[in-house]
Amino acid sequence: EDQVTQSPEALRLQEGESSSLNCSYTVSGLRGLFWYRQDPGKGPEFLFTLYSAGEEKEKERLKATLTKKESFLHITAPKPEDSATYLCAVQAGTASKLTFGTGTRLQVTL
Amino acid sequence: SQTIHQWPATLVQPVGSPLSLECTVEGTSNPNLYWYRQAAGRGLQLLFYSVGIGQISSEVPQNLSASRPQDRQFILSSKKLLLSDSGFYLCAFGREGMGNTIYFGEGSWLTVV
Repeated sequence: EDQVTQSPEALRLQEGESSSLNCSYTVSGLRGLFWYRQDPGKGPEFLFTLYSAGEEKEKERLKATLTKKESFLHITAPKPEDSATYLCAVQAGTASKLTFGTGTRLQVTL
Repeated sequence: SQTIHQWPATLVQPVGSPLSLECTVEGTSNPNLYWYRQAAGRGLQLLFYSVGIGQISSEVPQNLSASRPQDRQFILSSKKLLLSDSGFYLCAFGREGMGNTIYFGEGSWLTVV
């Protein structure tokens, strides 16, 4: 059974204080690892897909990396508007469905 | 560009009443369609997915059912709601040609009272 574990559960940062969110996974035949951002009361918004170990992707202050066991979402010099829940999900085997972690709630304060 | 629409956004229903949540996708054909539920403090749980008209796979036994009457329409239903059906329901779509990425609608908040 595919498993995804995210840590920490919650993270509070000051504006400009860089940090990383972790997503560890156990799957058989990884097809892709996905990062989403979710604002309260909204549907998840797609950020990145990573397909193989060593791959990296960037978008503004966010950078996602992937190893054979985990992925990191690095947030550089965050701003209050980066406050949200960040979800990690895996797609494995021949299935297209996603298995999600429980997310990391990020709060960035002034 | 592809878009997904889901409604209603919010509803409050009494226990024992029926449910119908609808989802439509525009700008693509033959999408894979999904219904997820998100409970407070928990991750997204896949309820149903469909790879074509009339083809529905259920992930967990429950009080809900899904149907796909048209290529880009996905409906989540219940004949009699339970209190435990309360939650945030999300419709999503994806296509193999889109890098396997799955895109979500805005969600529907269901409160069963």
